[in-house]
Amino acid sequence: ETVMTQSPATLSVSPGERATLSCRASQSVSSNLAWYQQIPGQAPRLLIYGASTRATGIPARFSGSGSGTEFTLTISSLQSEDFAVYYCHQYHNWPPHTFGQGTKLEIK
Amino acid sequence: EVQLVESGGGLVQPGGSLRLSCAASGFTFSSYEMNWVRQAPGKGLEWVSYINTFGNTIHYADSVKGRFTISRDNAKKSLYLQMNSLRAEDTAVYYCARDHSGWLEDWFDPWGQGTLVTVSS
Repeated sequence: ETVMTQSPATLSVSPGERATLSCRASQSVSSNLAWYQQIPGQAPRLLIYGASTRATGIPARFSGSGSGTEFTLTISSLQSEDFAVYYCHQYHNWPPHTFGQGTKLEIK
Repeated sequence: EVQLVESGGGLVQPGGSLRLSCAASGFTFSSYEMNWVRQAPGKGLEWVSYINTFGNTIHYADSVKGRFTISRDNAKKSLYLQMNSLRAEDTAVYYCARDHSGWLEDWFDPWGQGTLVTVSS
């Protein structure tokens, strides 16, 4: 099973600043990685797939990078609606599909 | 609009059974692979099960293998999860999620709003 590890668990950032979230895979997942945003009480929403491709309707301030075992989600100029929990998901070595434990992005 | 709507959750005693449903609309359901993903209260996401378009390729997480059964009815545009021998640790919000369904293109989009399953005496 490919274990996904996200860091940090919680990230405190001020509105308008940049946030950088990390995700590490226990073995290579190539570029087969997605990022999801989950606002409390809502279902996850796809942000990024293929490690760096924004999903339909996702603002350009969201960007993804990385390949192999190291990945980054960057949110430039944070807006109030961006404060949520973010999960990475590898779909290279499945079953099982595996997710990171999540990074909570909170207002500083 | 592409939409997934889950139903069937509720309170069940340990050892009991429950059947979840996911109604799809706004897309050609029969052309997409589907998944169930769950989230225990205050916890992260855990993949539960996968089914291909014909229903003849199925995978389960080890934590539910032998207890849960995934199925689909393409004519009814519906996905199901039969859950037997339920345990307290199965308590979670259960989401159905559409698989992008390409070779190494298995991200999940969209997700339903979820249905809560509580296993407690």
